[in-house]
Amino acid sequence: AQKVTQAQTEISVVEKEDVTLDCVYETRDTTYYLFWYKQPPSGELVFLIRRNSFDEQNEISGRYSWNFQKSTSSFNFTITASQVVDSAVYFCALSMNYGGSQGNLIFGKGTKLSVKP
Amino acid sequence: SQTIHQWPATLVQPVGSPLSLECTVEGTSNPNLYWYRQAAGRGLQLLFYSVGIGQISSEVPQNLSASRPQDRQFILSSKKLLLSDSGFYLCAWTPGQGITEAFFGQGTRLTVV
Repeated sequence: AQKVTQAQTEISVVEKEDVTLDCVYETRDTTYYLFWYKQPPSGELVFLIRRNSFDEQNEISGRYSWNFQKSTSSFNFTITASQVVDSAVYFCALSMNYGGSQGNLIFGKGTKLSVKP
Repeated sequence: SQTIHQWPATLVQPVGSPLSLECTVEGTSNPNLYWYRQAAGRGLQLLFYSVGIGQISSEVPQNLSASRPQDRQFILSSKKLLLSDSGFYLCAWTPGQGITEAFFGQGTRLTVV
Protein backbone atom coordinates (compact mmCIF):
# COMPACT_ATOMS: atom_id res chain seq x y z
CA ALA A 1 0.00 0.00 0.00
CA GLN A 2 1.09 3.55 -0.62
CA LYS A 3 1.47 5.96 2.24
CA VAL A 4 2.91 9.38 2.98
CA THR A 5 3.99 10.36 6.47
CA GLN A 6 4.63 13.89 7.63
CA ALA A 7 5.62 13.39 11.22
CA GLN A 8 5.74 17.09 12.07
CA THR A 9 2.22 18.29 12.77
CA GLU A 10 3.16 21.88 13.57
CA ILE A 11 6.36 23.87 13.41
CA SER A 12 6.89 27.39 14.68
CA VAL A 13 9.95 29.44 13.76
CA VAL A 14 11.03 33.03 13.91
CA GLU A 15 11.46 34.94 10.69
CA LYS A 16 14.79 34.39 8.92
CA GLU A 17 15.27 30.97 10.46
CA ASP A 18 15.74 27.97 8.18
CA VAL A 19 13.18 25.21 8.51
CA THR A 20 12.95 21.69 7.10
CA LEU A 21 9.69 19.85 6.60
CA ASP A 22 10.03 16.09 6.57
CA CYS A 23 8.24 13.68 4.27
CA VAL A 24 8.59 9.90 4.19
CA TYR A 25 6.74 7.81 1.65
CA GLU A 26 5.97 4.15 1.10
CA THR A 27 5.32 2.45 -2.21
CA ARG A 28 6.25 -0.79 -3.93
CA ASP A 29 6.10 0.77 -7.36
CA THR A 30 9.30 1.65 -9.14
CA THR A 31 7.68 4.52 -11.02
CA TYR A 32 6.06 7.18 -8.91
CA TYR A 33 5.85 10.93 -8.45
CA LEU A 34 6.30 13.09 -5.42
CA PHE A 35 4.84 16.52 -4.85
CA TRP A 36 4.79 19.37 -2.39
CA TYR A 37 1.80 21.67 -2.11
CA LYS A 38 1.27 24.78 -0.01
CA GLN A 39 -2.13 25.56 1.51
CA PRO A 40 -2.35 29.16 2.73
CA PRO A 41 -5.21 30.22 5.02
CA SER A 42 -7.40 30.85 1.98
CA GLY A 43 -7.49 27.08 1.46
CA GLU A 44 -6.39 26.76 -2.14
CA LEU A 45 -3.63 24.22 -2.77
CA VAL A 46 -0.65 25.77 -4.49
CA PHE A 47 1.70 23.48 -6.36
CA LEU A 48 5.38 23.81 -5.41
CA ILE A 49 7.28 20.94 -6.97
CA ARG A 50 6.98 17.58 -8.69
CA ARG A 51 9.67 14.90 -8.73
CA ASN A 52 9.64 11.54 -10.49
CA SER A 53 11.22 8.47 -9.01
CA PHE A 54 14.03 8.38 -11.55
CA ASP A 55 15.25 11.87 -10.79
CA GLU A 56 17.06 12.10 -7.50
CA GLN A 57 18.64 15.44 -8.17
CA ASN A 58 18.00 17.96 -5.48
CA GLU A 59 16.29 21.14 -6.56
CA ILE A 60 16.55 24.72 -5.47
CA SER A 61 14.06 27.43 -6.29
CA GLY A 62 14.84 30.70 -4.59
CA ARG A 63 14.54 30.14 -0.85
CA TYR A 64 13.02 26.69 -1.36
CA SER A 65 14.99 23.49 -1.76
CA TRP A 66 14.07 19.84 -1.89
CA ASN A 67 16.10 16.77 -0.97
CA PHE A 68 14.93 13.52 -2.55
CA GLN A 69 16.58 10.35 -1.24
CA LYS A 70 15.26 7.03 -2.49
CA SER A 71 17.48 5.12 -0.07
CA THR A 72 15.50 6.50 2.85
CA SER A 73 12.22 7.07 0.95
CA SER A 74 12.28 10.70 1.91
CA PHE A 75 11.47 13.92 0.11
CA ASN A 76 12.24 16.76 2.49
CA PHE A 77 11.53 20.43 1.93
CA THR A 78 13.69 23.23 3.29
CA ILE A 79 12.81 26.90 3.44
CA THR A 80 15.82 29.13 3.90
CA ALA A 81 15.46 32.47 5.65
CA SER A 82 11.78 31.94 6.33
CA GLN A 83 9.32 34.79 6.01
CA VAL A 84 5.91 35.45 7.52
CA VAL A 85 4.33 34.80 4.10
CA ASP A 86 5.61 31.24 4.30
CA SER A 87 3.10 30.53 7.06
CA ALA A 88 0.80 27.83 5.71
CA VAL A 89 0.08 24.13 5.81
CA TYR A 90 2.43 22.17 3.60
CA PHE A 91 1.46 18.83 2.11
CA CYS A 92 3.67 16.15 0.68
CA ALA A 93 1.95 13.81 -1.79
CA LEU A 94 2.63 10.65 -3.76
CA SER A 95 1.17 9.56 -7.08
CA MET A 96 1.46 6.69 -9.48
CA ASN A 97 0.41 6.95 -13.06
CA TYR A 98 -2.01 4.25 -14.00
CA GLY A 99 -4.23 4.91 -16.97
CA GLY A 100 -4.38 8.66 -16.58
CA SER A 101 -4.75 8.68 -12.83
CA GLN A 102 -1.73 10.82 -12.12
CA GLY A 103 -3.93 13.20 -10.17
CA ASN A 104 -4.79 10.47 -7.69
CA LEU A 105 -2.65 11.93 -4.98
CA ILE A 106 -1.96 10.27 -1.67
CA PHE A 107 -1.40 13.08 0.76
CA GLY A 108 0.36 13.23 4.06
CA LYS A 109 -1.55 14.87 6.89
CA GLY A 110 0.33 18.11 6.40
CA THR A 111 2.67 20.24 8.47
CA LYS A 112 1.44 23.58 9.71
CA LEU A 113 4.25 26.11 9.56
CA SER A 114 3.99 29.33 11.53
CA VAL A 115 6.61 31.96 10.91
CA LYS A 116 6.61 34.70 13.52
CA PRO A 117 8.06 38.16 12.92
CA SER B 1 -4.13 29.62 -19.87
CA GLN B 2 -6.07 27.04 -17.94
CA THR B 3 -8.25 27.96 -15.00
CA ILE B 4 -10.45 25.99 -12.66
CA HIS B 5 -13.55 27.38 -11.04
CA GLN B 6 -15.36 25.94 -8.09
CA TRP B 7 -18.51 27.17 -6.39
CA PRO B 8 -19.93 28.03 -4.01
CA ALA B 9 -17.03 29.06 -1.77
CA THR B 10 -18.96 28.35 1.42
CA LEU B 11 -22.15 26.47 2.13
CA VAL B 12 -24.16 25.72 5.24
CA GLN B 13 -26.72 22.98 4.80
CA PRO B 14 -29.04 21.14 7.19
CA VAL B 15 -28.74 17.42 7.74
CA GLY B 16 -30.82 15.52 5.21
CA SER B 17 -30.74 18.22 2.55
CA PRO B 18 -29.33 17.64 -0.94
CA LEU B 19 -25.97 18.89 -2.16
CA SER B 20 -24.59 20.00 -5.48
CA LEU B 21 -21.08 21.38 -5.89
CA GLU B 22 -19.86 22.36 -9.31
CA CYS B 23 -16.42 22.56 -10.83
CA THR B 24 -15.47 23.71 -14.30
CA VAL B 25 -12.16 23.91 -16.09
CA GLU B 26 -11.36 26.37 -18.84
CA GLY B 27 -8.61 26.47 -21.42
CA THR B 28 -8.08 22.75 -21.87
CA SER B 29 -9.80 19.73 -23.37
CA ASN B 30 -10.22 16.16 -22.12
CA PRO B 31 -8.88 16.86 -18.63
CA ASN B 32 -8.85 14.32 -15.86
CA LEU B 33 -10.99 15.67 -13.02
CA TYR B 34 -10.89 14.95 -9.31
CA TRP B 35 -12.84 15.64 -6.12
CA TYR B 36 -10.94 15.70 -2.83
CA ARG B 37 -12.21 16.24 0.69
CA GLN B 38 -10.30 17.67 3.60
CA ALA B 39 -12.04 16.95 6.88
CA ALA B 40 -11.18 19.05 9.93
CA GLY B 41 -7.78 18.10 11.30
CA ARG B 42 -7.21 15.51 8.62
CA GLY B 43 -5.37 15.30 5.35
CA LEU B 44 -6.85 15.34 1.90
CA GLN B 45 -8.65 12.29 0.64
CA LEU B 46 -9.52 11.51 -2.97
CA LEU B 47 -13.25 10.91 -3.37
CA PHE B 48 -13.82 10.58 -7.13
CA TYR B 49 -11.96 10.95 -10.36
CA SER B 50 -13.00 11.01 -13.99
CA VAL B 51 -11.03 10.46 -17.18
CA GLY B 52 -13.92 11.33 -19.51
CA ILE B 53 -17.58 12.26 -19.86
CA GLY B 54 -19.74 9.88 -17.90
CA GLN B 55 -16.73 7.99 -16.53
CA ILE B 56 -16.55 8.15 -12.75
CA SER B 57 -14.31 6.17 -10.42
CA SER B 58 -15.05 6.17 -6.72
CA GLU B 59 -12.20 5.83 -4.29
CA VAL B 60 -14.09 5.80 -1.04
CA PRO B 61 -17.63 4.48 -0.44
CA GLN B 62 -19.73 7.24 1.04
CA ASN B 63 -22.86 9.29 0.96
CA LEU B 64 -21.70 11.23 -2.08
CA SER B 65 -21.78 10.77 -5.83
CA ALA B 66 -20.13 12.50 -8.77
CA SER B 67 -21.09 13.15 -12.35
CA ARG B 68 -19.40 14.54 -15.42
CA PRO B 69 -22.08 15.71 -17.83
CA GLN B 70 -19.68 17.70 -19.99
CA ASP B 71 -15.99 17.45 -20.79
CA ARG B 72 -14.93 20.22 -18.45
CA GLN B 73 -17.64 20.02 -15.80
CA PHE B 74 -17.51 17.91 -12.68
CA ILE B 75 -20.32 17.81 -10.13
CA LEU B 76 -20.35 16.44 -6.60
CA SER B 77 -23.75 15.54 -5.20
CA SER B 78 -25.58 14.06 -2.31
CA LYS B 79 -29.25 13.24 -1.88
CA LYS B 80 -29.19 13.55 1.91
CA LEU B 81 -26.32 15.18 3.73
CA LEU B 82 -24.90 13.78 6.94
CA LEU B 83 -23.04 15.67 9.65
CA SER B 84 -19.94 13.72 8.66
CA ASP B 85 -20.07 15.25 5.18
CA SER B 86 -18.81 18.54 6.59
CA GLY B 87 -15.41 19.51 5.28
CA PHE B 88 -13.45 21.38 2.68
CA TYR B 89 -14.02 20.07 -0.84
CA LEU B 90 -11.46 20.65 -3.53
CA CYS B 91 -11.78 20.04 -7.23
CA ALA B 92 -8.63 19.42 -9.28
CA TRP B 93 -7.62 18.66 -12.83
CA THR B 94 -4.69 17.20 -14.73
CA PRO B 95 -4.13 17.07 -18.48
CA GLY B 96 -5.57 13.99 -20.15
CA GLN B 97 -2.13 12.94 -21.29
CA GLY B 98 1.35 13.33 -19.97
CA ILE B 99 2.76 13.52 -16.53
CA THR B 100 2.12 16.65 -14.59
CA GLU B 101 0.94 17.99 -11.31
CA ALA B 102 -2.70 18.43 -10.32
CA PHE B 103 -4.15 21.93 -10.29
CA PHE B 104 -6.66 22.73 -7.62
CA GLY B 105 -9.67 25.00 -7.37
CA GLN B 106 -10.30 27.41 -4.53
CA GLY B 107 -12.40 24.90 -2.61
CA THR B 108 -15.86 24.82 -1.03
CA ARG B 109 -16.22 24.85 2.72
CA LEU B 110 -19.30 22.79 3.57
CA THR B 111 -20.84 22.82 7.03
CA VAL B 112 -23.68 20.44 7.69
CA VAL B 113 -25.79 21.50 10.68
